[in-house]
Amino acid sequence: LAKTTQPISMDSYEGQEVNITCSHNNIATNDYITWYQQFPSQGPRFIIQGYKTKVTNEVASLFIPADRKSSTLSLPRVSLSDTAVYYCLVGAQYNFNKFYFGSGTKLNVKP
Amino acid sequence: EAGVAQSPRYKIIEKRQSVAFWCNPISGHATLYWYQQILGQGPKLLIQFQNNGVVDDSQLPKDRFSAERLKGVDSTLKIQPAKLEDSAVYLCASSRGGLAGGNEQFFGPGTRLTVL
Repeated sequence: LAKTTQPISMDSYEGQEVNITCSHNNIATNDYITWYQQFPSQGPRFIIQGYKTKVTNEVASLFIPADRKSSTLSLPRVSLSDTAVYYCLVGAQYNFNKFYFGSGTKLNVKP
Repeated sequence: EAGVAQSPRYKIIEKRQSVAFWCNPISGHATLYWYQQILGQGPKLLIQFQNNGVVDDSQLPKDRFSAERLKGVDSTLKIQPAKLEDSAVYLCASSRGGLAGGNEQFFGPGTRLTVL
């Protein structure tokens, strides 16, 4: 099972782009990379998922280098409401969708 | 569509008492997960069901925790007897599941358990 490593916390200011990097050195060939966001007193919420290169949706982009040993979640122009914990998960879709949460990155957006 | 429902939202019990949590996943979702989230930590997977079969319960403390998913829909998680260290939020999630993907997990609001 691929272990992930993320920074414990990050600070940013409103309007800035935030990049959160996740390290997953022993990622397997069939593993996907998924990011979740969690606000206090709520369950996590899916943000984005990718396998390689770049994936973009309406809220974020996910950059995955060729060796797939790391990934970067990019949040464009953050606002105060983006203050949350962000989790990087690595797992296989085919293996009954087994994904495991790490400790996450606490993003604090300041005015 | 309706989200994942959990009850109760809050529970306070004495140590050594028993407690049960209920989860109703999103209709049609084959995979159901129970997580334990201790304050300041990420969610820890306790058990994962695919329909009514157990896929992964490697982190479930089986001497005191049990879970079932009868008929492949609703699920209950039980703790008997509870310990102080069981104080946490218990999250239920579901996903469409299956080999074609559909692994985005949808989480319920959680049950906050306090053991005194």
